[in-house]
Amino acid sequence: ETGVTQSPTHLIKTRGQQVTLRCSSQSGHNTVSWYQQALGQGPQFIFQYYREEENGRGNFPPRFSGLQFPNYSSELNVNALELDDSALYLCATSDGTSGGAGEQFFGPGTRLTVL
Amino acid sequence: AQSVTQPDIHITVSEGASLELRCNYSYGATPYLFWYVQSPGQGLQLLLKYFSGDTLVQGIKGFEAEFKRSQSSFNLRKPSVHWSDAAEYFCAVAITSGTYKYIFGTGTRLKVLA
Repeated sequence: ETGVTQSPTHLIKTRGQQVTLRCSSQSGHNTVSWYQQALGQGPQFIFQYYREEENGRGNFPPRFSGLQFPNYSSELNVNALELDDSALYLCATSDGTSGGAGEQFFGPGTRLTVL
Repeated sequence: AQSVTQPDIHITVSEGASLELRCNYSYGATPYLFWYVQSPGQGLQLLLKYFSGDTLVQGIKGFEAEFKRSQSSFNLRKPSVHWSDAAEYFCAVAITSGTYKYIFGTGTRLKVLA
């Protein structure tokens, strides 16, 4: 059974650019959530996808968007990058039980730096 | 608005001492409750969760947590701390009425003295 993987590990972008982060789901998991963790803070929920549909969203602007593919892998896209978008981006997958609140398995994260 | 509060930013305990990390939430009903641990260079790992039933839940690594509805609290405890427990601990709630939302606290950093 493979765990949750994320790519790339690190990324440096400049303000105004666009970025795509990727997440491969753990085997058997059909639900993926994305989080932003700024330095010294707790993870902030961006959104969740369940079977390719957005299932919930936190307080993030529309320039944060996502996709989930038929194999349940996922992408997080951020447009018009701002300096405050610099953070660790985590994805977490689960098997969709308990209304999406089942145990989540987290990936190691992608560290995004916006200059 | 829903929120999770971890009032202690840093806690230092001696190895072998007992530990209690506090967590309070603000929500009109009982959410699903979680504790996670994040070690440097490691991903977030689930320690334990409460959905319903017995208000004292047991987790991995010897941790337990008690849900107190009257205090809107879900405090994490361990009777005897090991040096390897040094890490950042996050309390979280999942709200599943309507659309799904997951809220983390700001974390408590635990330091263990040898």
